[in-house]
Amino acid sequence: AQSVTQLDSQVPVFEEAPVELRCNYSSSVSVYLFWYVQYPNQGLQLLLKYLSGSTLVKGINGFEAEFNKSQTSFHLRKPSVHISDTAEYFCAVRTTGGSYIPTFGRGTSLIVHP
Amino acid sequence: ETGVTQSPTHLIKTRGQQVTLRCSSQSGHNTVSWYQQALGQGPQFIFQYYREEENGRGNFPPRFSGLQFPNYSSELNVNALELDDSALYLCASSLLAQNTEAFFGQGTRLTVV
Repeated sequence: AQSVTQLDSQVPVFEEAPVELRCNYSSSVSVYLFWYVQYPNQGLQLLLKYLSGSTLVKGINGFEAEFNKSQTSFHLRKPSVHISDTAEYFCAVRTTGGSYIPTFGRGTSLIVHP
Repeated sequence: ETGVTQSPTHLIKTRGQQVTLRCSSQSGHNTVSWYQQALGQGPQFIFQYYREEENGRGNFPPRFSGLQFPNYSSELNVNALELDDSALYLCASSLLAQNTEAFFGQGTRLTVV
């Protein structure tokens, strides 16, 4: 079984500041990793995913994440945030084989202040 | 625009009642998954359907059941509603079960009173 821990329930930042949302995972087998964004009253939208290859993954809206196998982490970063980035962010993990069931973290609320 | 649509968007039911939620998958997608997202929590996997057959199930009781139709649209049925069933129910479709990208609908907000 796999699990995901999002270390911060809420991250407040000022507009144009950099931000990092932290995600750690636990799994006994190899995994795929994902970050999703959820705007109020909306479903989830995929920001980026790590399947294999380069550990630095670039996604939409200027976000990127780095897979660190030794630290079992997949932190999400953006160098300069906008007010419109205010949303809930979810990290998810799925094994590369067998069951296709993803496990989601509890989410991090990113609040961007003007 | 993801192409996945869910209905209704909001619903209020009384404890003990039954509810049916509907999902129309993105065109060409033969796999649909359902999730329950309680307030302040991440989505929890309920089950997945692939070509009209259940293809995996999370830790939910049998009163949560589903169907997938030949046009790949889907229903989630919940019997004997409990207060803790109040949540946002999300549907996600993908081209194949093993695909790593799924497209989510906007969800149905169910409130049980």
